[in-house]
Amino acid sequence: ETGVTQSPTHLIKTRGQQVTLRCSSQSGHNTVSWYQQALGQGPQFIFQYYREEENGRGNFPPRFSGLQFPNYSSELNVNALELDDSALYLCASSDGTLRETQYFGPGTRLLVL
Amino acid sequence: DQQVKQNSPSLSVQEGRISILNCDYTNSMFDYFLWYKKYPAEGPTFLISISSIKDKNEDGRFTVFLNKSAKHLSLHIVPSQPGDSAVYFCAARGGNTPLVFGKGTRLSVIA
Repeated sequence: ETGVTQSPTHLIKTRGQQVTLRCSSQSGHNTVSWYQQALGQGPQFIFQYYREEENGRGNFPPRFSGLQFPNYSSELNVNALELDDSALYLCASSDGTLRETQYFGPGTRLLVL
Repeated sequence: DQQVKQNSPSLSVQEGRISILNCDYTNSMFDYFLWYKKYPAEGPTFLISISSIKDKNEDGRFTVFLNKSAKHLSLHIVPSQPGDSAVYFCAARGGNTPLVFGKGTRLSVIA
């Protein structure tokens, strides 16, 4: 059984650019949630995908968007990057909706200059 | 407005002694609480959880206590081991809502 994997591990972008982060869910899991963890903060919920449909969204602007594919892997896209988007982006998978225990990947650290 | 608060950014404990990590919450709709542990360069790992219908849940060296009237929960680690050194996040949710995390407490267990 493979765990949650994320790519890339690190990324540097400049303000205004666009970025795509990727996540492969743990085998058997059909739900993926994305979190942003700023320095010194706890993870903050961005959105969740369940069976390829968005199933809940946190307080993030529309320039944060996502996709889930038939194999339940997922992408997080961020357009028009701002300096405050610099953070660790965590993906978590679970078998079901928000009530199930979530298993996290190692994260992608994004730096926006 | 922080709904889940971990007021101690760090804690140092001697190996073999008890570690007590605290968490307060403000949202009375929260009905399920979790603790996650995070090592550097790794994602948070689920540790233990408790439903609001209970006041204690134990798993090996880890025990979580919930005081609903005080909106307070705590994680006890006994005995503490050097491998327990990590950042511990308290998280909560209500019904089918997303997890809300605290800012974390960095635990250092000194040999």
